[in-house]
Amino acid sequence: GAVVSQHPSRVICKSGTSVKIECRSLDFQATTMFWYRQFPKQSLMLMATSNEGSKATYEQGVEKDKFLINHASLTLSTLTVTSAHPEDSSFYICSAIKNTGTDTQYFGPGTRLTVL
Amino acid sequence: ELKVEQNPLFLSMQEGKNYTIYCNYSTTSDRLYWYRQDPGKSLESLFVLLSNGAVKQEGRLMASLDTKARLSTLHITAAVHDLSATYFCAVDFYGGATNKLIFGTGTLLAVQP
Repeated sequence: GAVVSQHPSRVICKSGTSVKIECRSLDFQATTMFWYRQFPKQSLMLMATSNEGSKATYEQGVEKDKFLINHASLTLSTLTVTSAHPEDSSFYICSAIKNTGTDTQYFGPGTRLTVL
Repeated sequence: ELKVEQNPLFLSMQEGKNYTIYCNYSTTSDRLYWYRQDPGKSLESLFVLLSNGAVKQEGRLMASLDTKARLSTLHITAAVHDLSATYFCAVDFYGGATNKLIFGTGTLLAVQP
């Protein structure tokens, strides 16, 4: 199997607070994980590529200091939205690639973030 | 600029009818994916197409890939209400250190009884 989990599935926070979202590969090791953001009725936009033990690679237009990504182990990557604002409200989805040389991404169930 | 465009963006169709969703992309790629997304949910993988001329079928859905035309199609045969969802194509792009997926604009499919 190739199961990816995310926690929490849903979070509501006040403006100005920070929120951490976890992405775990449950039954495989993932050298690389990806973070996507999806606004309502829109497509998925890649935010960053996260490699275990190294700094994340951010896509153009994504603020590194606002969206902190840590990939401390082969099964866990975290995305921290710092000083969240209402415009950060979105559906955040992570994916992971098995550490076997194939490029198929396995997607997590997503985290719905609402910033009041 | 990398672009992956789907056509149509919205499709309302009656049960029992056939239709095709198109996915055009602007860069060379050897791999194309089709996903389904239900409201409030994440992505469900439908197909991965790995080479020019690849055709895959699962139930009422059939996907094909023409790498020369940079075009993939998702054909729906005899639609049923359960197929109502948003469908995304995604192109595998080598961005330097690793491959990444560029998603299409999405097609919202509504199958009416």
